Amino acid sequence: EVQLVESGGGLVRPGGSLRLSCAASGFTFSTYTMHWVRQAPGKGLEWVSAIIDTSTYIYYADSVQGRFTVSRDNAKKSLYLQMNSLRVEDTAVYFCVRDRYFDASLTTWGQGTLVTVSS
Amino acid sequence: EIVMTQSPATLSVSPGERATLSCRASQSVTTNLAWYQQKPGQAPRLLIYGASSRATGVPARFSGSGSGTEFTLTISSLQSEDFAIYYCQQYNNWPPLTFGGGTKVE
Repeated sequence: EVQLVESGGGLVRPGGSLRLSCAASGFTFSTYTMHWVRQAPGKGLEWVSAIIDTSTYIYYADSVQGRFTVSRDNAKKSLYLQMNSLRVEDTAVYFCVRDRYFDASLTTWGQGTLVTVSS
Repeated sequence: EIVMTQSPATLSVSPGERATLSCRASQSVTTNLAWYQQKPGQAPRLLIYGASSRATGVPARFSGSGSGTEFTLTISSLQSEDFAIYYCQQYNNWPPLTFGGGTKVE
């Protein structure tokens, strides 16, 4: 069974840092582009970042560029999101997502981890 | 950045009725368009990719159509488990991947 499990969310002060992790199983992790997508409470979906299979290409939304860093460890089948200089508006559920391989439709989603930025 | 606009924001439908949801792109995305269903407290679920291809396990009552800038998701006969929020997403020109604001089917 294809599965993604996020961890690392929690409460952090504005300006603080947090590192999210995503453990993948049930598929050949190293061959897929992986994404982070977030959803603020009661709001819609916002794409955050993507990392291509070999980490050759990495992309960010303008809203997080320069503050967030995505990485992956294919040997550990894990995806990470290092979030620095956190803002109140970064409060959201963060989903780890796998795309379809042939295109960037998002086939498999983790259950999400909640990040709350508040003083 | 391609802006995706969904309408209506809320759709009131009775079980057994047909539901038609719309999604418009600010520029052509050809058929690189996906639809997702999200229920409260759950992650989104891919329903349709390539504008009209059903994802694995998606019931046949869900169908997608359109190309270019205008797209439609149709639920032919609404079941109780279909009450949810539906999002469209373009992947023709990214980054960034962009989503519509969602349509709540109630």
